[in-house]
Amino acid sequence: AQKVTQAQTEISVVEKEDVTLDCVYETRDTTYYLFWYKQPPSGELVFLIRRNSFDEQNEISGRYSWNFQKSTSSFNFTITASQVVDSAVYFCALRGYNFNKFYFGSGTKLNVKP
Amino acid sequence: GAVVSQHPSRVICKSGTSVKIECRSLDFQATTMFWYRQFPKKSLMLMATSNEGSKATYEQGVEKDKFLINHASLTLSTLTVTSAHPEDSSFYICSARGPGAGNTIYFGEGSWLTVV
Repeated sequence: AQKVTQAQTEISVVEKEDVTLDCVYETRDTTYYLFWYKQPPSGELVFLIRRNSFDEQNEISGRYSWNFQKSTSSFNFTITASQVVDSAVYFCALRGYNFNKFYFGSGTKLNVKP
Repeated sequence: GAVVSQHPSRVICKSGTSVKIECRSLDFQATTMFWYRQFPKKSLMLMATSNEGSKATYEQGVEKDKFLINHASLTLSTLTVTSAHPEDSSFYICSARGPGAGNTIYFGEGSWLTVV
């Protein structure tokens, strides 16, 4: 079964604080992709990152960083020095290598207060 | 780059009427597209897989007669919500696999449906 769990429903931080969004996944596939998307109030999904299951190297992109731990089936997302514009719902998602269907977590709503 | 476009972005319809949402791959051909539904403050749930030239494959619990999917061409899939009711009000979003070997999936901008 494919499943993505985002245990944090909502997080509130003050601007400039660091925040980590957790994501735990389940899959029987040996090859798969993991994603993070940002969904602002307007609704569209903004692609943030895609990770291949063979690549456990952590990645940093500006204030964003991702920690992929295959041993614990986790793919956590950290925003450093958060900003008000980071306020949105963030989804973690899983996709099998040979399939195009996404399995989304329930999302974490991030509120960054000035 | 590859783009998936949805239309309309927002639609309001009366209860009992039908409404059609289009999903287009603008600069590539997509033999398969996917339709997702998102309830307010909830996650996105796959509704169905739209296959060009054949019947859509629906996920368990999704009413086929309620949500009609047509994939008549390699660049267009449509979702028709028939006899809409207020509980059908939701955010609907489609996706398609992009061209090339990158195996990238592109999402449309989504469509907000409000049934009054």
